[in-house]
Amino acid sequence: AQSVTQPDIHITVSEGASLELRCNYSYGATPYLFWYVQSPGQGLQLLLKYFSGDTLVQGIKGFEAEFKRSQSSFNLRKPSVHWSDAAEYFCAVDLILTGGGNKLTFGTGTQLKVEL
Amino acid sequence: NAGVTQTPKFQVLKTGQSMTLQCAQDMNHNSMYWYRQDPGMGLRLIYYSASEGTTDKGEVPNGYNVSRLNKREFSLRLESAAPSQTSVYFCASARRTGDEQYFGPGTRLTVT
Repeated sequence: AQSVTQPDIHITVSEGASLELRCNYSYGATPYLFWYVQSPGQGLQLLLKYFSGDTLVQGIKGFEAEFKRSQSSFNLRKPSVHWSDAAEYFCAVDLILTGGGNKLTFGTGTQLKVEL
Repeated sequence: NAGVTQTPKFQVLKTGQSMTLQCAQDMNHNSMYWYRQDPGMGLRLIYYSASEGTTDKGEVPNGYNVSRLNKREFSLRLESAAPSQTSVYFCASARRTGDEQYFGPGTRLTVT
């Protein structure tokens, strides 16, 4: 069964500092990979996605992620964090279902706190 | 263009009561999904509908039923609510297989 691991439950960074959120997956083939962000009381918003091709993908709000097949990782990065980036971040792996459609398997999330 | 909408936003039920959570999307998407979110567990798929007229179980379907009413609407029903169903419920939709999913704002359900 596929799984997604986000080893850091909480991360605190200072505003202006760089950020890296870790994500590892277990899956038999190269999956579709996503990062979502959830602000308090809100739904999930897609930050970026990897389907194929260039292993460094750019997303919204200045985020990027790098797919490393050898490490089964898809880490999220941002060079300079803003206070408004404080939120919960979810990594997800997409499995194509035999009956059609797709199923996202989510990690347990990383809560980001930004210190001013 | 409202995206994915969910009603209600909040609901409190007593054990044994029933209710239906409503979801609608205006993006002409084929696939729709219901998730529940619990602290420390991420989101878990309850049911999904790959296309109009089809529904299938996800990871945690017990205690729930769904109806894909038409292409736009996908409802989730709790026939006899239990405290273990206290959670935040999210509906999502996707244009086609493998595409990113768009999420609604969620329904916070408490069962006492």
